[in-house]
Amino acid sequence: KAGVTQTPRYLIKTRGQQVTLSCSPISGHRSVSWYQQTPGQGLQFLFEYFSETQRNKGNFPGRFSGRQFSNSRSEMNVSTLELGDSALYLCASSLGQALGEKLFFGSGTQLSVL
Amino acid sequence: QQQVKQSPQSLIVQKGGISIINCAYENTAFDYFPWYQQFPGKGPALLIAIRPDVSEKKEGRFTISFNKSAKQFSLHIMDSQPGDSATYFCAASRNQGGKLIFGQGTELSVKP
Repeated sequence: KAGVTQTPRYLIKTRGQQVTLSCSPISGHRSVSWYQQTPGQGLQFLFEYFSETQRNKGNFPGRFSGRQFSNSRSEMNVSTLELGDSALYLCASSLGQALGEKLFFGSGTQLSVL
Repeated sequence: QQQVKQSPQSLIVQKGGISIINCAYENTAFDYFPWYQQFPGKGPALLIAIRPDVSEKKEGRFTISFNKSAKQFSLHIMDSQPGDSATYFCAASRNQGGKLIFGQGTELSVKP
């Protein structure tokens, strides 16, 4: 079974631009969660989508948004990029049916904002 | 507000030794406590997890000890190996699907 696939692997943008990151979950998984990882703040939850609906949301500004398609693939968008948005963005998939389900993480998209 | 505090930030252990990483949480509503292992260039991978109704869970060389009254839990890695060198994260969740609150991480280095 293929794992969680995130594209692109690396991305360089400038301040003020917007960016879209993509995540393809493991086949059969209906939940996709997004996390931001930085050396200073660690791993922080952005949001979770289940069956095309946002199920949970973290404490990030509205510039961060996401969506999920009918095939469970998910995209995350960041508008008006700031230097502080430079981070590794990870997505994780799970079946989405029970507490304590194992999350399977992708290798992430490394975003650099110049 | 940091809800899960992890220590130490870094740890050096000799091969064959015991690695111990500690976490403390604040929210008593948390009911799921996983540990994740992350290698450079990779995403975190689930190592072992525990629910608050048990005080200990062991899987191979990895053991979680859980103290509900103290709101603390820890990861013990027995017979540590150089291949265990990675960053370890504790996390907590309160029935919120894919939403985990992570600790700050511990960078473990196992010396041969």
